[in-house]
Amino acid sequence: EAGVTQSPTHLIKTRGQQATLRCSPISGHTSVYWYQQALGLGLQFLLWYDEGEERNRGNFPPRFSGRQFPNYSSELNVNALELEDSALYLCASSLVGKGYEQYFGPGTRLTVT
Amino acid sequence: AQKITQTQPGMFVQEKEAVTLDCTYDTSDQSYGLFWYKQPSSGEMIFLIYQGSYDEQNATEGRYSLNFQKARKSANLVISASQLGDSAMYFCAMREAVTGNQFYFGTGTSLTVIP
Repeated sequence: EAGVTQSPTHLIKTRGQQATLRCSPISGHTSVYWYQQALGLGLQFLLWYDEGEERNRGNFPPRFSGRQFPNYSSELNVNALELEDSALYLCASSLVGKGYEQYFGPGTRLTVT
Repeated sequence: AQKITQTQPGMFVQEKEAVTLDCTYDTSDQSYGLFWYKQPSSGEMIFLIYQGSYDEQNATEGRYSLNFQKARKSANLVISASQLGDSAMYFCAMREAVTGNQFYFGTGTSLTVIP
């Protein structure tokens, strides 16, 4: 069974541009989570989608947005990129229920110059 | 208040020794799950171990065990017989039944195994 996939692996953008990151969850998982991990820091929760709806978002400005498609894949968009947006962006998926762990993708390394 | 607190930013352990990574959590829910993840320098997040709030026995997975003290709201990870490959960041996480699928992660502990 395929794991969580993310594309692209690396993304280099300049300040002010827009970035689009993509995530495909494990088959059967309806929940998708996005996290930002700046170099040497912990996971900062960005967004949680479930059944096509945004369920919660972390303390990030509105220029971080996303959506979940009918096939449960998800897209994270970052507008008006700033240098401090440079980070590893991790996507995870999960089954419903408190006992189910999140499965993480390999991440997208975004570099803003 | 922080849902998950990891107070040890960095830890060192001698190879073959045991090490305990601390994690405390905050919830008023009776039904919740606790998780530990490992993140090597390559970046991938690896699930290690799970403990349910109603589980009476401490969870064990190979060299990993979870020291679950419900009254103290702590869920410490114990790694026995440390190996050089255990050097990584370790994250504690919680999922509450009341909030459905929301996950909460701690800030992580960096573990270095010394040969």
